[in-house]
Amino acid sequence: DMKVTQMPRYLIKRMGENVLLECGQDMSHETMYWYRQDPGLGLQLIYISYDVDSNSEGDIPKGYRVSRKKREHFSLILDSAKTNQTSVYFCASSSRQGANSDYTFGSGTRLLVI
Amino acid sequence: KTQVEQSPQSLVVRQGENCVLQCNYSVTPDNHLRWFKQDTGKGLVSLTVLVHENDKTSNGRYSATLDKDAKHSTLHITATLLDDTATYICVVGDRGSALGRLHFGAGTQLIVIP
Repeated sequence: DMKVTQMPRYLIKRMGENVLLECGQDMSHETMYWYRQDPGLGLQLIYISYDVDSNSEGDIPKGYRVSRKKREHFSLILDSAKTNQTSVYFCASSSRQGANSDYTFGSGTRLLVI
Repeated sequence: KTQVEQSPQSLVVRQGENCVLQCNYSVTPDNHLRWFKQDTGKGLVSLTVLVHENDKTSNGRYSATLDKDAKHSTLHITATLLDDTATYICVVGDRGSALGRLHFGAGTQLIVIP
């Protein structure tokens, strides 16, 4: 069963703590994404990775960094979490671009920063 | 500025009724448009993709149309079931290449009641 797996599903952190969100996929997709979803807003792209060590900023990269050392694994790191980073974070992957892409999303990580 | 607007924001229908969800966008270029279904607490699952002017697609009880001139799409759900309760998200891709970005609407929350 092809899927994107996110860990953990739920996370509570204090302001200033470091946060690591992990994402794995078993489809050998080249491209992986990190989005955040906030109430009343569409998903916003944080970072995109085109392959191992080939990462680009999305629309809202400030306060985040990523790591992709293996094709199947893509991490999102928050150094010194802030309360406005409370959100639901989604990881996704795709093997192609455009209309033929087979975008696959994880189930999300719900992060609360207090 | 929001480039993908969905209406209505929320909708309640009785099981067995039909419903129509709307998506208007200003994304340019508009390479393709996708409709996703997001169950509560889950990731996004693709329902259909539209590419060409006046495209029409059908996927079981889901059917969609695209008018690229008007930059408008509709998602029709026929004979709704309780399991159709979810948020439906309209997404516009601006290119068919690796440089393409997805632009997400905020979604229409559909509730199907017995």
